[in-house]
Amino acid sequence: EDQVTQSPEALRLQEGESSSLNCSYTVSGLRGLFWYRQDPGKGPEFLFTLYSAGEEKEKERLKATLTKKESFLHITAPKPEDSATYLCAVFSGGYNKLIFGAGTRLAVHP
Amino acid sequence: DVKVTQSSRYLVKRTGEKVFLECVQDMDHENMFWYRQDPGLGLRLIYFSYDVKMKEKGDIPEGYSVSREKKERFSLILESASTNQTSMYLCASTKIPFGTVSYNEQFFGPGTRLTVL
Repeated sequence: EDQVTQSPEALRLQEGESSSLNCSYTVSGLRGLFWYRQDPGKGPEFLFTLYSAGEEKEKERLKATLTKKESFLHITAPKPEDSATYLCAVFSGGYNKLIFGAGTRLAVHP
Repeated sequence: DVKVTQSSRYLVKRTGEKVFLECVQDMDHENMFWYRQDPGLGLRLIYFSYDVKMKEKGDIPEGYSVSREKKERFSLILESASTNQTSMYLCASTKIPFGTVSYNEQFFGPGTRLTVL
């Protein structure tokens, strides 16, 4: 069965303390992996699409990477405004559907 | 900027009531979606629509129906609300054709938090 698991569930960082969020997946025929950011009381906002192992995408302090089993969202020198829930989702070619993970709640403190 | 709006931010209904959740997008997108979001479960697709009057079931359609009479508007209907339908409901849209990977780069509304008592 296709599955997406995000870890940790919650992460607390000090401002400037770099870290990584993990998204591991088991799907039949990965066609794309997506990262979204969700602020409290708002809908998710699209960040990145990764299509194949080895691919990397960057946006400001965020860098997403992809291997055959997992994706990492690296946050370099985070700021309090990076606090949000980060959602990972995979598009399975086997079932032609999008499967979301439960998310990682990130809190960055000054 | 794409704007997806939902009719209510918070809604409280009683068991057995018929509930309408409305979603409107202003960017002429063909595809619209309804998801529910529950703690620990992630987003799950209820229904989607790829054109006016067209609809497809998602992963959890039971207890829900939808209506798309105009391109910009997609309604989710709970025929007889139950307590297990208490959740955050999110509407999304995209212009990208169904089946392409980029179809999943969706624009979301702010959500409606529905409580069924």
